[in-house]
Amino acid sequence: DIQMTQSPSTLSASVGDRVTITCRASQSISHWLAWYQHKAGKAPTLLVYEASYLEGGVPSRFSGSGSGTEFTLTITSLQPDDFATYYCQHYNRHSWTFGQGTKVEIK
Amino acid sequence: QVQLVESGGGVIQPGRSLRLSCAASGFTFSSHVMQWVRQAPGKGLEWVTVISSDGSKKEYVDSVKGRFTISRDNSKNTVYLQMNSLRAEDTAVYYCARVDILIGFTDYWGQGTQVTVSP
Repeated sequence: DIQMTQSPSTLSASVGDRVTITCRASQSISHWLAWYQHKAGKAPTLLVYEASYLEGGVPSRFSGSGSGTEFTLTITSLQPDDFATYYCQHYNRHSWTFGQGTKVEIK
Repeated sequence: QVQLVESGGGVIQPGRSLRLSCAASGFTFSSHVMQWVRQAPGKGLEWVTVISSDGSKKEYVDSVKGRFTISRDNSKNTVYLQMNSLRAEDTAVYYCARVDILIGFTDYWGQGTQVTVSP
């Protein structure tokens, strides 16, 4: 089974900071990766799919990159609404595997 | 707009059964693969099960195989999760989610329903 590993687990940052979250796959997954934002008590929301395609309505300060085994989610200028937990997900139509999550906290 | 509304959660004793429902609206339900994802307290998201658009194919995470059953009723735009032989480790918020038709990622989620397995 493919394992997804995110780093860091927790990230402390200030409004306006550039933030980068990394997701590594235990074997190549091509570009079959999505990123989600999750706030406590709410439904997760899709940010990026196919590693680098921004979902409609998602602010342009979010971007995704990578292929194969290493992927990144970047927030270019952190906003107050961005403090949340972020998950990567590998999908292959038979199973969906999440990273363990990265909590972005206020510094 | 796409809406997924879960129901049926609650507090249940170990070994008992519970059925979750997810009512869908705002899209052609019968065209989409649907899934359940859960989040245990203090933990991350865990994919649980998926069902094909016509209900003929189902997949499960190993930890629930033989205990949980996913099903759907396309005439009612509803997907179900029958959970039997519940264990303390099944305690979680359960999310119903839609799978994108073309590519296969999860594109919409419900708000979730809490399941607590406790004596």
